[in-house]
Amino acid sequence: DQQVKQNSPSLSVQEGRISILNCDYTNSMFDYFLWYKKYPAEGPTFLISISSIKDKNEDGRFTVFLNKSAKHLSLHIVPSQPGDSAVYFCAASAYSNYQLIWGAGTKLIIKP
Amino acid sequence: DAGITQSPRYKITETGRQVTLMCHQTWSHSYMFWYRQDLGHGLRLIYYSAAADITDKGEVPDGYVVSRSKTENFPLTLESATRSQTSVYFCASTMAGNEQYFGPGTRLTVT
Repeated sequence: DQQVKQNSPSLSVQEGRISILNCDYTNSMFDYFLWYKKYPAEGPTFLISISSIKDKNEDGRFTVFLNKSAKHLSLHIVPSQPGDSAVYFCAASAYSNYQLIWGAGTKLIIKP
Repeated sequence: DAGITQSPRYKITETGRQVTLMCHQTWSHSYMFWYRQDLGHGLRLIYYSAAADITDKGEVPDGYVVSRSKTENFPLTLESATRSQTSVYFCASTMAGNEQYFGPGTRLTVT
């Protein structure tokens, strides 16, 4: 049973437009959520995170929104750039036990 | 170089062989993790360690052994490799927080 789901295996977006990546979770004990970015043949790199006490966190072009009632979070990238083409993983943890549960990832392709 | 390194980067081994994947970090992070990544799955936690000489099982520990005699090293051993252990393995570390820092990965093929 997947506790963290990314239902879109891939997403294609025009350069300069907004990219929206979605993530759903089932475990109500999760209180911290993270987004990671991964290029081929490299390890994942941390992008942005959000605590369950917030509903929005921004860092430059990246914004994460959390809807606790819907158990849904999304990552917005504005504007999308060619270097954003990568696989994006959503991950969650409960009560700072540092064990992350990961979604299957969404491959983002930015078209010129 | 500072950071987290994994060796080897690529490994081909035969079924039944023992193989050890190495992970080394220079940050003196307390926590270290081993994950495997397979198509259709996210990263799945194999084992983790909160400090030297403290290790615990993750989601998919069967067939794997870990040790952590020094803070900076966290080797993962496949005692008798099986084809189902063909995967990409990632090591990660963190001082005390959820933002984990990952190594470049080891691609393991078991024939």
